[in-house]
Amino acid sequence: LAKTTQPISMDSYEGQEVNITCSHNNIATNDYITWYQQFPSQGPRFIIQGYKTKVTNEVASLFIPADRKSSTLSLPRVSLSDTAVYYCLVAPVSGNTPLVFGKGTRLSVIA
Amino acid sequence: DSGVTQTPKHLITATGQRVTLRCSPRSGDLSVYWYQQSLDQGLQFLIQYYNGEERAKGNILERFSAQQFPDLHSELNLSSLELGDSALYFCASSDPGQGAETQYFGPGTRLLVL
Repeated sequence: LAKTTQPISMDSYEGQEVNITCSHNNIATNDYITWYQQFPSQGPRFIIQGYKTKVTNEVASLFIPADRKSSTLSLPRVSLSDTAVYYCLVAPVSGNTPLVFGKGTRLSVIA
Repeated sequence: DSGVTQTPKHLITATGQRVTLRCSPRSGDLSVYWYQQSLDQGLQFLIQYYNGEERAKGNILERFSAQQFPDLHSELNLSSLELGDSALYFCASSDPGQGAETQYFGPGTRLLVL
C-alpha cells in the first residue's frame, strides 16, 4: 500500500477555507485516494474519495493533479465543529482490504 | 450514524481477564474489520472477516481472536488482558461490491484495563 505524508497539525480561523495536502509518491494505478475525518472518541467518518482531477460533495472538495502523487482536501468556510483529525489514505479500487491509517492532520479551528 | 453498532460502549476490567466486544455491521455489508486505537500507536488494523471467513490479519496479538457469525455480526475476544490493551476498539464494515471501498466505522468500545 502506498505510504502517505501529511502535515501533523494545522490551525485555521472560522470562516476560512482550509486546504490539507497529502503526498503519496508511490500511488499505484489502481489506487483510490480517500479522506476520513475523526472527532475525539468517535470512529473515523468517510469524507470524500477520488481517483483523478476534482471531486466535490456537500462537505469538501478533493483536488488530484494529473500525476496523482499528491492530493488536496479543501474544506470551505470551516467552523469550530470541523476541528478534528483528517486522514488521507490510499487503497486499491478493488477494495475489500484493510485501511492503513497514518498519523493524520489535526485541524484546530479557532473562533 | 454510520449504521454500524458496537457494544458495549465502555468496558472496565482487570489484568488477566477476558472480554468480548461485539459489532453489528451495516445491513448488507459482508466485510467486517477490527481496529485498535491507542494514544501511542494510532489507528491499527487488527483483523478482517468477509462473509464469515477470515480474510486478512494485521497486528493482532495471539491473545486476541475474532469471528464473524452467519448473521454477519462479529465478536472480538481479548484474553489475558494487560494494561497496554487499554484502547478504543473500532469495528468497520463495507460492501466490496460497491467498487472503490468505503468503510463505515462504529462508535467504538473504550476498554480500560486496570
